[in-house]
Amino acid sequence: EAQVTQNPRYLITVTGKKLTVTCSQNMNHEYMSWYRQDPGLGLRQIYYSMNVEVTDKGDVPEGYKVSRKEKRNFPLILESPSPNQTSLYFCASRPPGLAGQNQETQYFGPGTRLLVL
Amino acid sequence: QKEVEQDPGPLSVPEGAIVSLNCTYSNSAFQYFMWYRQYSRKGPELLMYTYSSGNKEDGRFTAQVDKSSKYISLFIRDSQPSDSATYLCAMRFSGSARQLTFGSGTQLTVLP
Repeated sequence: EAQVTQNPRYLITVTGKKLTVTCSQNMNHEYMSWYRQDPGLGLRQIYYSMNVEVTDKGDVPEGYKVSRKEKRNFPLILESPSPNQTSLYFCASRPPGLAGQNQETQYFGPGTRLLVL
Repeated sequence: QKEVEQDPGPLSVPEGAIVSLNCTYSNSAFQYFMWYRQYSRKGPELLMYTYSSGNKEDGRFTAQVDKSSKYISLFIRDSQPSDSATYLCAMRFSGSARQLTFGSGTQLTVLP
């Protein structure tokens, strides 16, 4: 089954304790990205990656790191989490190409709900 | 001012009603417009995609884009309880390898 998986699904941590949220897709997609979703703010992009070893900042990258060593994996790293990073996080991937119904179809993972105390 | 504004609702309608969901935006450079549907505790999924102005119909769903007014709409005919979800509009610039700018989402409940 074509899918994007994220782990963990739920995480409670304390301020300053480094954590990693994993993301993996089995569709051989080049493009992957991370979003956070907050009430009233919608989805905001954190980082994206056009391909292996190619990453770039989205709209809200502060406090986050990513890496793309393999095509299928795109982990999100919080080196020193703070309470304002409490949010619902989504990883997404999409097929190559610039436009068209297929290329616009981002496949989202199930989400990771993070609480930073 | 946000680039994309969307009424958060919540919106409750009886089964069979016609639902109208809307977004306004401020940047006239947006060229690609999408509607995503997000069920509770799930990731968003693409529902409709439109390039530039015009209408697009897919079953009970119709997406409209009015670039002159910077206004997009999603209409749901004969709404069903299974349509209960949060609907997010999204848009991006032409040639942009990146990103979608999302609205904040409208929560819809269709009552049986």
